Amino acid sequence: DAKTTQPTSMDCAEGRAANLPCNHSTISGNEYVYWYRQIHSQGPQYIIHGLKNNETNEMASLIITEDRKSSTLILPHATLRDTAVYYCIVSPLQKTSYDKVIFGPGTSLSVIP
Amino acid sequence: DTEVTQTPKHLVMGMTNKKSLKCEQHMGHRAMYWYKQKAKKPPELMFVYSYEKLSINESVPSRFSPECPNSSLLNLHLHALQPEDSALYLCASSWDSYSNQPQHFGDGTRLSIL
Repeated sequence: DAKTTQPTSMDCAEGRAANLPCNHSTISGNEYVYWYRQIHSQGPQYIIHGLKNNETNEMASLIITEDRKSSTLILPHATLRDTAVYYCIVSPLQKTSYDKVIFGPGTSLSVIP
Repeated sequence: DTEVTQTPKHLVMGMTNKKSLKCEQHMGHRAMYWYKQKAKKPPELMFVYSYEKLSINESVPSRFSPECPNSSLLNLHLHALQPEDSALYLCASSWDSYSNQPQHFGDGTRLSIL
């Protein structure tokens, strides 16, 4: 089973910031938070990951709470091309051969003109 | 454009046919993965190859047979599939299967079983 819970769907106005929450209350100290997205008819695309510090790259920012039990992915200026399913995943820093990336249902983000 | 290339993009086959899906990456990654994705569902892991050896088989039926001929190639051989096997089959790769490096996905092969 996935170790995260996310809203089923969200809307965001074009040009505004999209804030996608993720709950991972059972996260372990050695587990990273990863975000991927899947645009219709494409494979999943890696966005960002982090352990406990906030992270930013050219696509998005990741804010992780101090207790690490939840995080928020921020798309600062959403465009229509950001319409996709967004998956939040937790995975260990050092995996054994038995550790797997498990996708939950994700959040379907619709960016509205 | 993705750095993981999957062929064919679409495949229609009968239940008695034998076909193969192909995946290729040239990023020097040593871990490769097969996922199955049904419509409106998240991807589900099928197989993991690490350094060209099968490390995880998620209890996949034997009608799906993976093969990793070298570190750049991953095949999925299909035989005697059922209609419920119709799905999008995704290939992914990563630096290895043990580190925190993310997976890179191809755009998948959409498989339809008649």
